[in-house]
Amino acid sequence: KNEVEQSPQNLTAQEGEFITINCSYSVGISALHWLQQHPGGGIVSLFMLSSGKKKHGRLIATINIQEKHSSLHITASHPRDSAVYICAVRSYTDKLIFGTGTRLQVFP
Amino acid sequence: DGGITQSPKYLFRKEGQNVTLSCEQNLNHDAMYWYRQDPGQGLRLIYYSQIVNDFQKGDIAEGYSVSREKKESFPLTVTSAQKNPTAFYLCASSIDLRGWSYGYTFGSGTRLTVV
Repeated sequence: KNEVEQSPQNLTAQEGEFITINCSYSVGISALHWLQQHPGGGIVSLFMLSSGKKKHGRLIATINIQEKHSSLHITASHPRDSAVYICAVRSYTDKLIFGTGTRLQVFP
Repeated sequence: DGGITQSPKYLFRKEGQNVTLSCEQNLNHDAMYWYRQDPGQGLRLIYYSQIVNDFQKGDIAEGYSVSREKKESFPLTVTSAQKNPTAFYLCASSIDLRGWSYGYTFGSGTRLTVV
C-alpha cells in the first residue's frame, strides 16, 4: 500500500462544477503539499499545509491531521483547471513522498 | 522573474550513451533535487543537494550521477548503467532541505526517450 493515496485517479467534470480531490496518508508528517502538473509537464506548487485550511482564488485546501487526510476543492471549475493534481507529504525524516496524482478534465 | 530552467525539453538517447540534463535556478536556493516520473507512479527522488559541492543519493540513484559545482546549477547525467532511462525528469529547488517552510519550485521537466 502506498504511503500517500489519492482519489479519484481520474475525474471529469462540466464547467462550473464543484470538484473535490482527496489525499490520505499513513505516515507522520510535518507538512502536506498540493501540486498542479499541466499537460506540458511543469509543476506548480498550489498549497503547503500543516493544519487547517487555505484558500487561493477558487482553490481551497484542507487538512485533518488526526484523520491523516487532506482535500483539495475547486469551486466553479473551468476548462483551464484541467491538469494532474498531486498530493505530497513531508515526513518527519524530511522525506517528500508523492501520491500518483488525480487527472482532472473539465469540459465546457 | 526567478525560476528553474530545465533543458532540453525533449532528449533522445541511444543505447549505451550517457546524456546530461541541465537544471539552472536563479532563486538563490540552497537545496536542489532531481525526480523521475513514470506513468502511474509518484515522483521518485534520484539525487538531492543541500549545498555546493555536496549531494546525496535518493531512492533510485543507481545509473545516475550529479554534480553541484555552482549554487545555481545541478546537472543530472543518465549513464549507460541506467537500464530503463525512458521517463520524465523534473528538477526542483527549495530555500533549504526543510523546504516545507517555504515550499518548492519545480522546473518544466525533460522527457528522455531511449531510441
